[in-house]
Amino acid sequence: AQSVSQHNHHVILSEAASLELGCNYSYGGTVNLFWYVQYPGQHLQLLLKYFSGDPLVKGIKGFEAEFIKSKFSFNLRKPSVQWSDTAEYFCAVILYSSASKIIFGSGTRLSIRP
Amino acid sequence: DTAVSQTPKYLVTQMGNDKSIKCEQNLGHDTMYWYKQDSKKFLKIMFSYNNKELIINETVPNRFSPKSPDKAHLNLHINSLELGDSAVYFCASSREGNTEAFFGQGTRLTVV
Repeated sequence: AQSVSQHNHHVILSEAASLELGCNYSYGGTVNLFWYVQYPGQHLQLLLKYFSGDPLVKGIKGFEAEFIKSKFSFNLRKPSVQWSDTAEYFCAVILYSSASKIIFGSGTRLSIRP
Repeated sequence: DTAVSQTPKYLVTQMGNDKSIKCEQNLGHDTMYWYKQDSKKFLKIMFSYNNKELIINETVPNRFSPKSPDKAHLNLHINSLELGDSAVYFCASSREGNTEAFFGQGTRLTVV
């Protein structure tokens, strides 16, 4: 079955530290890839997306992600985190063969120490 | 203007009751979804509709019945509520089935 794996369940960093959150998917076909963020008590908001083209995509709030097709990965990065980045981060995939079905990873909780 | 709005935001009800959650999007999108987020924050798709037509029904108990009167609305009716139905339910919409989804604020359902 297709799946999305986020290996880090809870990441704790100090402000100004660099961030990388891992995401791998298990599907060999064409995919669209997303990272969403959910701030405490709020709904999901799109951070960035990859459909095609340059595998390094930039999103809002200084986040970026790199699509590495050979590794089936779409890791999220930020060079310097802020306390306000404390949130739950979800990687998500849409498979072209089953559109209208966004598959989410289990999420990574990011806690930033001030 | 809220792009995807759901009501109510909070819903506390007793086991066995029937309840509905409403969702409306003003983005002109063709595809709408219902997702369930459990206490561990795991998000699972329940239903997806495209132009009022059911596309995906992810092995959800038939106590859950979605209704799409038009492509801007996707309501969720739940019969005979159980304790295990307690979760946050998110409505979402997307322009097409393979583009990003925009989420509503969520409805926190608590069954007591």
